[in-house]
Amino acid sequence: EVPLAESGGGLVKPGGSLRLSCAASGFTFADAWMTWVRQAPGKGLEWVGHITSKTDGETTYYAAPVKGRFTISRDDSKNTLYLQMNSLKIEDTALYYCSKGYCSGSDCHWDDAFDVWGQGTMVTVSS
Amino acid sequence: QSALTQPASVSGSPGQSITISCTGTSSDVGAYKYVSWYQQRPGKAPKLLIFEVSYRPPGVSNRFSGSKSGNTASLTISGLQAEDEADYYCSSYTTINTLVVFGGGTKLTVL
Repeated sequence: EVPLAESGGGLVKPGGSLRLSCAASGFTFADAWMTWVRQAPGKGLEWVGHITSKTDGETTYYAAPVKGRFTISRDDSKNTLYLQMNSLKIEDTALYYCSKGYCSGSDCHWDDAFDVWGQGTMVTVSS
Repeated sequence: QSALTQPASVSGSPGQSITISCTGTSSDVGAYKYVSWYQQRPGKAPKLLIFEVSYRPPGVSNRFSGSKSGNTASLTISGLQAEDEADYYCSSYTTINTLVVFGGGTKLTVL
């Protein structure tokens, strides 16, 4: 069983929209703070944004390059994380990973260390 | 927000030790103890090696160790093995424009 599985990637024109999903299993999704990280082809990792648990307010936080265009949400009843991407730009082309913050007992690093990752879903923005 | 600065590549022979540096500023690495390190093998997702500068998650080999001094964090791999060949990324909490910033990555070659 794969703990995190992204889907929804594909080819989209500049200015278009896409919604990515991340299905979680094997851990208590409702308790987890979840993060999206992307990686452009041949490049390094880039933090995109995160969402806290419902208990912690379901607060979202975004990186400057995507703020106002991307929206992270979650459906705990479906154990699924989402990334709605609007007004896509060529520079948004990347492999998008969802990840879970690290938490072991009372030692939690929900937003600064990510211990479970999906396999990624590729988003290509091109005309 | 600029990425944290890592050397593009490092190399070492089996059994040796290598250190990868990660240089930031007083707004990220220098300000927080929340520095993490990841290993990424080709075509795979990153794997968490170190969190909070020097702590290892369960299951990560004690050959991997982390430290920090001022605005620079370091990852040391001792007893280098062929399977350690991968890209390594640091990350840090930050106060500028984003919450977490990653380093540009370092490619480790085991000779």
